[in-house]
Amino acid sequence: QLQQQESGPGLVKPSETLSLICTVSGGSISRSSYYWGWIRQPPGKGLEWIGTIYYSGSAHYNPSLKSRLTISVDTSKNQISLKLSSVTAADTAMYYCATRITGALWDAFDIWGQGTMVTVSS
Amino acid sequence: SSELAQDPAVSVALGQTVRITCQGDSLRTYYASWYQQKPGQAPVLVIYSKNNRPSGIPDRFSGSMSGKIASLTITGAQAEDEADYYCNSRDTSGNHVVFGGGTKLTVL
Repeated sequence: QLQQQESGPGLVKPSETLSLICTVSGGSISRSSYYWGWIRQPPGKGLEWIGTIYYSGSAHYNPSLKSRLTISVDTSKNQISLKLSSVTAADTAMYYCATRITGALWDAFDIWGQGTMVTVSS
Repeated sequence: SSELAQDPAVSVALGQTVRITCQGDSLRTYYASWYQQKPGQAPVLVIYSKNNRPSGIPDRFSGSMSGKIASLTITGAQAEDEADYYCNSRDTSGNHVVFGGGTKLTVL
């Protein structure tokens, strides 16, 4: 059973770059059936899709974040990383890493990490 | 604003049936999936690809779709079903994932 664990700094200053790591255990991220996604949730608000990446490195980003966002895969470390530049208070959120299962007409996130809280503040 | 619209709050009497809906143009083409989230916890997938339950999800949870509306039905709601529920699908371009704004379910 795959498990993900998110890790990050907890506190980031405005205008700086937020960097998070999702470490996968229980299997290789190179399994061809899985995509890997990042989802965030501001305090008291709903879920927002950030982006998704395949183990090959092919990625799709939320258009509203695309200009500031980089998601990458390190298969040697079994990790997925997220970098979000020029952060503001609006980027304060719980950030989740999840496995994405998909078909021709659907997508779902079936295994979620516990999340890591990131606060943007000076 | 989300491309998938959900009612902010719904309530149901214990043991009764409740339907939570998700509406959006992309649902005419793409299937919805549903998540349950309890306070302080990560979301849990309860329905994927319109009406498929992951292992371990009780069969009182079911999904359906009609037109541009997807529905999550809980038949015989239990106290432990009190939670926030989110739908997700693709946007109308088919290239991106979108979530609904969430519905808070109260079991009375």
